[in-house]
Amino acid sequence: DAKTTQPTSMDCAEGRAANLPCNHSTISGNEYVYWYRQIHSQGPQYIIHGLKNNETNEMASLIITEDRKSSTLILPHATLRDTAVYYCIVRVAKGGGSEKLVFGKGTKLTVNP
Amino acid sequence: DTAVSQTPKYLVTQMGNDKSIKCEQNLGHDTMYWYKQDSKKFLKIMFSYNNKELIINETVPNRFSPKSPDKAHLNLHINSLELGDSAVYFCASSQGPWKAFEQYFGPGTRLTVT
Repeated sequence: DAKTTQPTSMDCAEGRAANLPCNHSTISGNEYVYWYRQIHSQGPQYIIHGLKNNETNEMASLIITEDRKSSTLILPHATLRDTAVYYCIVRVAKGGGSEKLVFGKGTKLTVNP
Repeated sequence: DTAVSQTPKYLVTQMGNDKSIKCEQNLGHDTMYWYKQDSKKFLKIMFSYNNKELIINETVPNRFSPKSPDKAHLNLHINSLELGDSAVYFCASSQGPWKAFEQYFGPGTRLTVT
């Protein structure tokens, strides 16, 4: 699976948009981009995923560049509860039952009042 | 209702003891997982079961033995506990192996071995 690069940490003011970048320059055409987050002392939480098109759900938006070498997770109005480690993961749909999530170091997002 | 639950939440025990952690999901999912998050916060998969059958078995000491009595439960038994087993253990589930990248995680069990 393609490697991802994320900043170690970021800060954001409460109420502002949080834009979390992820670099995946070696991504292949059939690899999806997934985002999870882990709030302190809790289990990871699935946020969103995409292949080529931008995606939006009730939690966030995912913007994938046209060349698919990078993406940005956007939390439109960050709250203090969004303080967490955010993980960007890429995967290829292999099938066969052997797929697994591989978590990197992620980005520690701190939302400040 | 909690989707994925784990018991106990905290577990403190001495080296050499045997302990179990239980996991239950009420989502109707077919696939369940165990992860270990160490003190450096790295989160790594240990096992995965689909409909009570083991499908993923990472390089884990054989002191760790998962057991799935039915597809809603996946327990983790650890024999002869060592100091290095201290970590937070997370259980997770997904609809099936084809949805392995959309998992629901439990709250974790913090294991401390003294």
